This record gives sequence, structure tokens and C-alpha cells, in this order.
Amino acid sequence: DGGITQSPKYLFRKEGQNVTLSCEQNLNHDAMYWYRQDPGQGLRLIYYSQIVNDFQKGDIAEGYSVSREKKESFPLTVTSAQKNPTAFYLCASSERDRAVTEAFFGQGTRLTVV
Amino acid sequence: LAKTTQPISMDSYEGQEVNITCSHNNIATNDYITWYQQFPSQGPRFIIQGYKTKVTNEVASLFIPADRKSSTLSLPRVSLSDTAVYYCLVSGGYNKLIFGAGTRLAVHP
Repeated sequence: DGGITQSPKYLFRKEGQNVTLSCEQNLNHDAMYWYRQDPGQGLRLIYYSQIVNDFQKGDIAEGYSVSREKKESFPLTVTSAQKNPTAFYLCASSERDRAVTEAFFGQGTRLTVV
Repeated sequence: LAKTTQPISMDSYEGQEVNITCSHNNIATNDYITWYQQFPSQGPRFIIQGYKTKVTNEVASLFIPADRKSSTLSLPRVSLSDTAVYYCLVSGGYNKLIFGAGTRLAVHP
């Protein structure tokens, strides 16, 4: 089955540690995105990538880093510089260069700082 | 990117038709209008997309007036399972898929 997979579903991090969230898709999509969602709020864009080896900052990129070495993978690292990392993180993918765009989302990773 | 404005919340009852309107005054010529649905602790799910006039699929209808400065998502005969947050997005081409705050729909028995 084609889809987008995020892992792990739940993640706990100690303060001062870096942690990496995984996002893999087998939809052959060029574009991939990372969002952060806080309780009762909408989605905020962290980073997005339209093609392999290229990515752009979204609205809240500070304290996060990404890589796009393979088309199917777009891991997100939450660094110790992110002051309030506890949130629900969502990864998405879509086709590129199309005005008619449907994004497919993973099931999310809930990160908690302990 | 065109900014969107939606009501923060709406209430309805089972069996009623629900219309959620989104304002996007600065929509560009090549922008499409897309609606997503999100349940708690899940990723958003695509509902419907359109450019102008009316689009209908098995779950919803999307009405877009000629000036395209607004759009209305119509959910026929809602059930309790339609309780969710609904997002309106305007984008085209190299888009960043910017989500607003969405509309929180509560369906009551």
C-alpha cells in the first residue's frame, strides 16, 4: 500500500538532547513537508522540500534541522536549541509543480520533553 | 500566498447541512482552493479541491463564486463522526501548503 509513515508514534526527550523524527513515503512524491501542531492550534510549517537535496525554511524553522538525501525520506531533527519542543509533529508529501495538489499526511509523532 | 479567514468554530446537529465559508480576498489567478479535515491526534485528510463554480464528490460540495474571493464547503446531513477541524487552503504551483487555524465543527446528537 502506498502511503506516508512517521515513526515513532510517541517520543520522549530529555532537555538538552537532540532527537530525530522519521518520515518515509512510497508515493513517489517530490515535495515533502514538516508541520508542528500545539494543542487546540492549527498546523505551522517548519520546513519543506520540493526536490531531493533541497529544502526551505517554513515559518518556525528555528531549533529544527532537516535533510533530504533520498526522495522517499525527510527526517526532522529537533535540536536542543528548540526551547519548547513538546508538540505533535506531522509530515506530509505531495506532487510538485502542480496547482492541483493533494497532500498526504502521516499519523504524526507526539514529542514530549521530560 | 493568499491568506484565508474562517470561523473559529461552528455547532450543528446530526442530519443537518453544514456550510463553512472561507474568505480569501487575495487569491491569485493560478491558485486552487483545497479543504482538509482533521480528527484529534491524526494528520489532516484531503476532502475536496476546486478552482471555480461548483465541485462535488462523495463527501462534500465546494461552492466558489465568480470572483473567487471566498469559498463554501458544504457537508450534507452531518453525523457525529463529522466532528473535526476543517481547514481551507489556497495555493498553486510551488506552494508551501500554509494552514490557518481552521474551523472546529462540533456535531451534536
